[in-house]
Order: sequence, then structure tokens, then C-alpha cells
Amino acid sequence: ETGVTQTPRHLVMGMTNKKSLKCEQHLGHNAMYWYKQSAKKPLELMFVYSLEERVENNSVPSRFSPECPNSSHLFLHLHTLQPEDSALYLCASSQAQGQYYGYTFGSGTRLTVV
Amino acid sequence: DAKTTQPPSMDCAEGRAANLPCNHSTISGNEYVYWYRQIHSQGPQYIIHGLKNNETNEMASLIITEDRKSSTLILPHATLRDTAVYYCIVRVASGGTSYGKLTFGQGTILTVHP
Repeated sequence: ETGVTQTPRHLVMGMTNKKSLKCEQHLGHNAMYWYKQSAKKPLELMFVYSLEERVENNSVPSRFSPECPNSSHLFLHLHTLQPEDSALYLCASSQAQGQYYGYTFGSGTRLTVV
Repeated sequence: DAKTTQPPSMDCAEGRAANLPCNHSTISGNEYVYWYRQIHSQGPQYIIHGLKNNETNEMASLIITEDRKSSTLILPHATLRDTAVYYCIVRVASGGTSYGKLTFGQGTILTVHP
């Protein structure tokens, strides 16, 4: 257990479904991130929340909708996904300020869109 | 942030030292070198970071050249569980944006064999 918990670990959803991924950390961090990792590709940064405010949205399609209700929780709401959205979705957290920007990652949610 | 160059893959015998190189010839004076690793289908794990001095912790050692244009991550006694993708990232640790964005490349696939 790394201190960042992601649920569910695995998710299979149809293209018309709506589902949400959840991320939770109790490390006292105040920045949280969503990354996508497709097969054989580097991690791609999707969204960044710093001090509960979204500060980065890297041209992610609107079928992905993040939510950060507080500094400990981060959600990724999914609707009308495509098969190419199948990937490992990783959440991470860090301090928003200070000298050290080390990340702590969760174990990820393996998403399959059918 | 400065870009890094790593070999795509390396092999190492179990019990031997694994030396993973990274070139970062465009590194700026205020950028740190971070190393993470990702074991198959898990989230990346922080290993070590440094600015210009060599660093050591319970996992690894980091050797940074005097001109800071390259570095080497050393796993002193590699085990089978060290088989993973190793990422070298350079990033300013403070200032700039108010959060620590890390950009991952392809990394080096380290295979430790018996």
C-alpha cells in the first residue's frame, strides 16, 4: 500500500455506460494528478489539481470529467467512452509547494471499454 | 523541463549491480534529477532524486557527473523483483508552477535474470 488508494482496481464498461474512478490519499498532499497509460506508451498527464483547483487539462476529451471535492479525494467520471480509452489510469499526489516534488502513485485502475 | 535520454533496455544478472545511465545534457542549474520505476501494471514508485551531489538511500545510489549532463542509477545487488521500467526525469523542484509536474518518457526496461 503506497498511501494513495485507487478503486476499483479493474473495470469493464460498455461504451454507453457511466462510471467513476476514485482516488484517495491521506498523506497530507495538496496536489493530485490523473495519468493515462496505454499499452506500450509512456504515461500521459491528463489533469492536475493543485490546492483543489484544476490547473492543467491536457487536451483531454470531454468524455473524461475530473472532480476534486477536497485535497484528499479525486474522481474521474467516465461516459460514452471508446475502445481506445482502454488503459491503466493512475492517480498520484504530491505537495503543491516546497522544494521536493516527489510523487506517490496509486496502483491504478485497469479500464477495459467494450 | 530538460529532456532525458535512456537506453530502451538493459539486462542484469541477479546479485550484480545494475547501472542505469541517463543523459540530460540540457539540464538547468535549478533542475533536479528524479528516478522512478514501474513494475508491470503497477503505479510508478519513487526511488531517489538529487541536484548535484551523489545520493544514496536504502533502494539505490545516484551518481551525477560534475557537469550534471548525465547521471547513473545504481542498484547495488539486483534481485528478480527489480525487473521494471526505470524512468529518469529532470524537473525544477521549486518555483515556476505551484505544483510538481513530472513528464515521463519511455524509460529503460531492466530485466534481472537468474
